[in-house]
Amino acid sequence: SQQGEEDPQALSIQEGENATMNCSYKTSINNLQWYRQNSGRGLVHLILIRSNEREKHSGRLRVTLDTSKKSSSLLITASRAADTASYFCATDAGGNEKLTFGTGTRLTIIP
Amino acid sequence: DAGVIQSPRHEVTEMGQEVTLRCKPISGHNSLFWYRQTMMRGLELLIYFNNNVPIDDSGMPEDRFSAKMPNASFSTLKIQPSEPRDSAVYFCASRLGGGVSEQFFGPGTRLTVL
Repeated sequence: SQQGEEDPQALSIQEGENATMNCSYKTSINNLQWYRQNSGRGLVHLILIRSNEREKHSGRLRVTLDTSKKSSSLLITASRAADTASYFCATDAGGNEKLTFGTGTRLTIIP
Repeated sequence: DAGVIQSPRHEVTEMGQEVTLRCKPISGHNSLFWYRQTMMRGLELLIYFNNNVPIDDSGMPEDRFSAKMPNASFSTLKIQPSEPRDSAVYFCASRLGGGVSEQFFGPGTRLTVL
């Protein structure tokens, strides 16, 4: 099974609202990353949070990490139509430089 | 920088034919990754290279798949013979190695095997 499982699988919200996506993983990690994928495109890195960090911000993005629960959340504030995409979490397996990607959350922002 | 370059962007072939996908990583990056994405299985790592050396090919589905990286600026993923179940989008990504860092993805090659 996937190392990372995103929840929900799909999310539709009105433009201007906040969007929250969650990721759970199974094994110990060094860091967790979030990526965005627009339809028909490659993945784009959004933010990286290390295992010794609990929260990180980048513009309208806020990521939290709870290593005791093996979970992370991605919050997008004041959503825009351009945020419509699939969002994936990716984890490394404790020092292994391989990334294992989750199943993704498909986010749709309704104008 | 032009980013990671992949070719072709689309490939349609018939079962049994050989398929070669190409990737040019970002200049200076020393790690290269090949992924496959399908609706059923999501994004799977096939193989990755560090400094042109294959490090982990445990994700390569079977002997029909092979990958090479003859130099720091070029890699190929070959499927021979191709089968309909190989239909997917294949991504190449590169990374500046030496610690924790993000991966930069190419636009992908959409492969359809008839």
